[in-house]
Amino acid sequence: EPEVTQTPSHQVTQMGQEVILRCVPISNHLYFYWYRQILGQKVEFLVSFYNNEISEKSEIFDDQFSVERPDGSNFTLKIRSTKLEDSAMYFCASLRESFSNQPQHFGDGTRLSIL
Amino acid sequence: GNSVTQMEGPVTLSEEAFLTINCTYTATGYPSLFWYVQYPGEGLQLLLKATKADDKGSNKGFEATYRKETTSFHLEKGSVQVSDSAVYFCALKARLGGKLQFGAGTQVVVTP
Repeated sequence: EPEVTQTPSHQVTQMGQEVILRCVPISNHLYFYWYRQILGQKVEFLVSFYNNEISEKSEIFDDQFSVERPDGSNFTLKIRSTKLEDSAMYFCASLRESFSNQPQHFGDGTRLSIL
Repeated sequence: GNSVTQMEGPVTLSEEAFLTINCTYTATGYPSLFWYVQYPGEGLQLLLKATKADDKGSNKGFEATYRKETTSFHLEKGSVQVSDSAVYFCALKARLGGKLQFGAGTQVVVTP
């Protein structure tokens, strides 16, 4: 069964540095998402992306964050000038159609640790 | 706005016990409802789903019924195993727009 893959599995970065988290969605999917889970807390929606533009974003997704689909297969989340509170598990998900009742497919996540 | 409320954990059970995790939601329209499971150190896996009122989702011995009248989607399993120890998340997806909204998650610990 096709999978969403995320790299790296664990990223350690100094505060203030930029970090890029990478995701390869399922190949025929059209809608892409990033979620965040701070340790011990709920999974929070960050952003959705369709047709090369952001379709929805949460209040968490401020100017520090950006997303891109640079080459038709990868889907990246960039965090500029990281802060300690950005430490979390970041999940990528994809979906073929947003109106369908099918579930999103999640990757295994990238654990981001900011020192 | 839409929201999901789950019972707080941890829930500690003995093997072969009956498990119920309560989930209620607030949403306009008719959302789809999901249960995801997160095993220790792993990502989110879909456990089951229901897309309309009175639908029953089931998988791996787990069941949940979409109850519109009580806006609930409680997860049940008749006889849990140690391998069911995980965090369980209830989630909803509105008809329009694909984002998932998650409950806080309920940790389940099953002891031998």
